[in-house]
Amino acid sequence: GAGVSQSPSNKVTEKGKDVELRCDPISGHTALYWYRQSLGQGLEFLIYFQGNSAPDKSGLPSDRFSAERTGGSVSTLTIQRTQQEDSAVYLCASSLAHSTDTQYFGPGTRLTVL
Amino acid sequence: GENVEQHPSTLSVQEGDSAVIKCTYSDSASNYFPWYKQELGKGPQLIIDIRSNVGEKKDQRIAVTLNKTAKHFSLHITETQPEDSAVYFCAASKGNFNKFYFGSGTKLNVKP
Repeated sequence: GAGVSQSPSNKVTEKGKDVELRCDPISGHTALYWYRQSLGQGLEFLIYFQGNSAPDKSGLPSDRFSAERTGGSVSTLTIQRTQQEDSAVYLCASSLAHSTDTQYFGPGTRLTVL
Repeated sequence: GENVEQHPSTLSVQEGDSAVIKCTYSDSASNYFPWYKQELGKGPQLIIDIRSNVGEKKDQRIAVTLNKTAKHFSLHITETQPEDSAVYFCAASKGNFNKFYFGSGTKLNVKP
């Protein structure tokens, strides 16, 4: 079946603009995760959803970052007033129920802030 | 919080040789340790995982070992092939805490 999809695949924006990144998880997966991967680095946890609620938002780097999930499916990650240090690949993953279920990753969105 | 360290950062082996990547973790409450393979331009893909009640797990050419006392776990790839070339990440989780902590990655290059 279809895997996790993310859009756009690439986004170039100017400093100070807002951006929205979208994640479509695997159908039926209740858990959804957002990560950030800077060049040559590991994955930095941002936020986790179980259904539509986010029990753990502790990884969001600042109040410019927010995320929501509607209908227990699609999630959007919004970055307001983007800064150059926000440039990274933003990865989304989903799993069937909880954290020890296999996480399936999407291809990521490469964000470049000029 | 948890701190996961991964070594080496780069590893170059000849085709057919074995490759070993090591990770250490700091939080003794972590109990789930997955390994991911990331190819260029793609998201990470789970290749093997181990839970704290198991010391070793094998899947064909890939194996993972866990030493809970020393708080380290390792990925072993035998009979390496050029298609094994990728970046490999280890991770640790406390399970129901729902947060994964990732190592910084190992770039494996298998020379034909």
